[in-house]
This record gives sequence, structure tokens and C-alpha cells, in this order.
Amino acid sequence: SQQGEEDPQALSIQEGENATMNCSYKTSINNLQWYRQNSGRGLVHLILIRSNEREKHSGRLRVTLDTSKKSSSLLITASRAADTASYFCATGSGGGADGLTFGKGTHLIIQP
Amino acid sequence: DAGVIQSPRHEVTEMGQEVTLRCKPISGHNSLFWYRQTMMRGLELLIYFNNNVPIDDSGMPEDRFSAKMPNASFSTLKIQPSEPRDSAVYFCASSPRWGRSTDTQYFGPGTRLTVL
Repeated sequence: SQQGEEDPQALSIQEGENATMNCSYKTSINNLQWYRQNSGRGLVHLILIRSNEREKHSGRLRVTLDTSKKSSSLLITASRAADTASYFCATGSGGGADGLTFGKGTHLIIQP
Repeated sequence: DAGVIQSPRHEVTEMGQEVTLRCKPISGHNSLFWYRQTMMRGLELLIYFNNNVPIDDSGMPEDRFSAKMPNASFSTLKIQPSEPRDSAVYFCASSPRWGRSTDTQYFGPGTRLTVL
């Protein structure tokens, strides 16, 4: 079963607007990562937040983590057409180089 | 660095045939992962290796699936016999250091498998 569940499943906004995607998970985690997938391509790592962190920034990306609610959000500010892609959250449970458990993703469309 | 290399990029085969997918991880990476992506089930971890040793294959759907990593620079995922429900995109990913679950995983471009 999927650990992470992204919300919404699809999001369409105008270029320049901010995009917010949410992720909920079920079990305890060591870290949570966000990946981007362009159509027909592999996944690209965006940002990682550890379970003892609450917020992290990287360029136009801002990630928050609320372990009490088992949820995370990814904010993309000042969106660009090139941000059109699917975004996935993935959780790692720790204890070694284990595989990640991915959600089904949010498909983001940036309208020019 | 060439990144994770997968071959073939596309594979079309008939039900019952053997399929072999190949992966070359990034040089120096100690962990290798095989994932499968479908519309219905999303991305699923099939198996992963640390230092060429299979650690967790609980995600391998059936005995028809097998994976090997004979050395640090090569891995295969084999399906024998293949079935239409195996149609999916199969991704290989590698990660720098064994024992660090917080490490970034680097994904290959994937192999799109179609079983007729």
C-alpha cells in the first residue's frame, strides 16, 4: 500500500502564482523527500526534510513537516512553465539505505 | 557523470516471453533500487541491493520476477514468463552510501515495458 498520499491529484495554476501540494503518510518516518517527474522521464530529487525538522527551503521551494499530523507540504513560489511536472513525496523509515515509499503524486500544470 | 543508465528504453514483447532489463548505477554508489510505476499502483519498490547484496525483495510481485547484481556496476531485472499485467515503466535508482536512508536516490530514465 502507498505510504504517502498527495493532495490534490492534479493542480492547474497561472504562471507566477504559488503552488502548494500536500502529502500525508501513515507510519513513523526518518525523513521525507520530494521528487519531481517530467513526462516520460525519471524522478529528480528536489528536497529532503528530516523528522526533527519543521521547515526547509531550497530556492523557490519550501517544505514543511508536521510529524504530529503525519503530513508535509511543498510550496513552489513564483511558478514557471518549466515547473509543469508530477511531484511525489517519498518517505524513508531509516535504519539503513532502505527503499523509499512513494505517494501517487500531484500533477502540476503551469499555464503561461 | 552519465547518471544511472538503463536499457532498453522501450521493450515490446509477447506474453510468455522472457524480458531482461538492465541497469548501470552511478559509479561509486553502494545502493541500487528497482521500482515499477503504473497508473493504478503508482511507484512501487521491487527490490534493493546494498554492496551488491539483495537486502529486501518483499516488493517483488511473483516468482516470475528475479533480480541480480553480479558486480557494483551492473544489475538486471528479469521477468520470465512475462504477462500483460507486467506492462509498466521500470526504474532503476542508485544511492551513494549504504546505511544512510536519508541519501538522495538518483533515478535512471526508465524502461517502458509493454507485454502484448
